[in-house]
Amino acid sequence: DTEVTQTPKHLVMGMTNKKSLKCEQHMGHRAMYWYKQKAKKPPELMFVYSYEKLSINESVPSRFSPECPNSSLLNLHLHALQPEDSALYLCASSQESSGSSYEQYFGPGTRLTVT
Amino acid sequence: GNSVTQMEGPVTLSEEAFLTINCTYTATGYPSLFWYVQYPGEGLQLLLKATKADDKGSNKGFEATYRKETTSFHLEKGSVQVSDSAVYFCALTIPSGGGADGLTFGKGTHLIIQP
Repeated sequence: DTEVTQTPKHLVMGMTNKKSLKCEQHMGHRAMYWYKQKAKKPPELMFVYSYEKLSINESVPSRFSPECPNSSLLNLHLHALQPEDSALYLCASSQESSGSSYEQYFGPGTRLTVT
Repeated sequence: GNSVTQMEGPVTLSEEAFLTINCTYTATGYPSLFWYVQYPGEGLQLLLKATKADDKGSNKGFEATYRKETTSFHLEKGSVQVSDSAVYFCALTIPSGGGADGLTFGKGTHLIIQP
């Protein structure tokens, strides 16, 4: 099973709202990722969690706040977003062990619209 | 740093035509190489991978060979179908004992197959 699930599938929020995106995997992967993808562009890395600890933050604005409650779950808390934050938000996971090729498995994404 | 260059397209072919999408890379270490496919409105699916020189990744009739001497990982398929219409991303990561890292993507190639 190589499934990563994400909820919700679609989200519309105002600039003063607080919402959360959720991601779950049951492949035993110990690395999880958030990417942002704008239309007709490749995904851009936002955050990496390794063994439930934040290991990479690609200078993402503080209105995005990641959380990794356990090895299977990854959240992205959103607050005071701007219209330019509208995008497809993708979660991914990978093994993290010696000899791994680190291929990442992606969820279907959450289509976020900020109004 | 690391980078991936691929033809952007759109690439338009007739059904049953031969497909090549070129991909070249630069990397600071020894990368693992991947092709991902993204259908409209969906997340990314891992299509194939290769982890060392001369490895050939293959899946669903697609193939790509890891060429270290030319730093290339071109995607090929002998006979494309309408259902292959999608955006294809070439990507790399550097496996290391230092922990997981994000994928470096090319800009993506939009493939359109006409019946």
